[in-house]
Amino acid sequence: NAGVMQNPRHLVRRRGQEARLRCSPMKGHSHVYWYRQLPEEGLKFMVYLQKENIIDESGMPKERFSAEFPKEGPSILRIQQVVRGDSAAYFCASSLHSYEQYFGPGTRLTVT
Amino acid sequence: AQKVTQAQTEISVVEKEDVTLDCVYETRDTTYYLFWYKQPPSGELVFLIRRNSFDEQNEISGRYSWNFQKSTSSFNFTITASQVVDSAVYFCALNAGGTSYGKLTFGQGTILTVHP
Repeated sequence: NAGVMQNPRHLVRRRGQEARLRCSPMKGHSHVYWYRQLPEEGLKFMVYLQKENIIDESGMPKERFSAEFPKEGPSILRIQQVVRGDSAAYFCASSLHSYEQYFGPGTRLTVT
Repeated sequence: AQKVTQAQTEISVVEKEDVTLDCVYETRDTTYYLFWYKQPPSGELVFLIRRNSFDEQNEISGRYSWNFQKSTSSFNFTITASQVVDSAVYFCALNAGGTSYGKLTFGQGTILTVHP
């Protein structure tokens, strides 16, 4: 059973460009979570999704960030008009039950 | 609101020493789950353990052991006979019910360095 897949593993964007981060949950998992880890900091919750629904987006910045988990295909975290402060590691996790989350390897976003 | 505090920012030990990583949590929920994750230098997050709030039994897995005490809201992690490969950042995390259902709240992490 493959683990949580994230791609790309590393992403470089110039200021003002869009970043799209993808997450394929473990087989059979219908809960997906996105977390952000800023340099030298712990992980901060961003958003919790189930298929086609956003359950909790209390950690998402109000502007430029959006997330989706369509019926088919991976979950996407989209950051529009990236700024240097968006540089971070973005982790996706999936779960069968919401209390046990398995993490992907992360996407390291660098904004130049 | 949920909160996890890992007061030790960095710990440095010599191989074969025992080391304990502290974790204190805050929640008003009676049902919750506590976790430890390891983040080695390669960057991925490795799940180590999950405990639920109704099970205060301590757990041992090889050189790892966990001490869960509800009376002090602590969930401490001990590595016995540490090894260089244990060098990593260790995160304690909390998942509680109510409006925080599904969301993991992480501590700031403890950087453990084990010297040969």
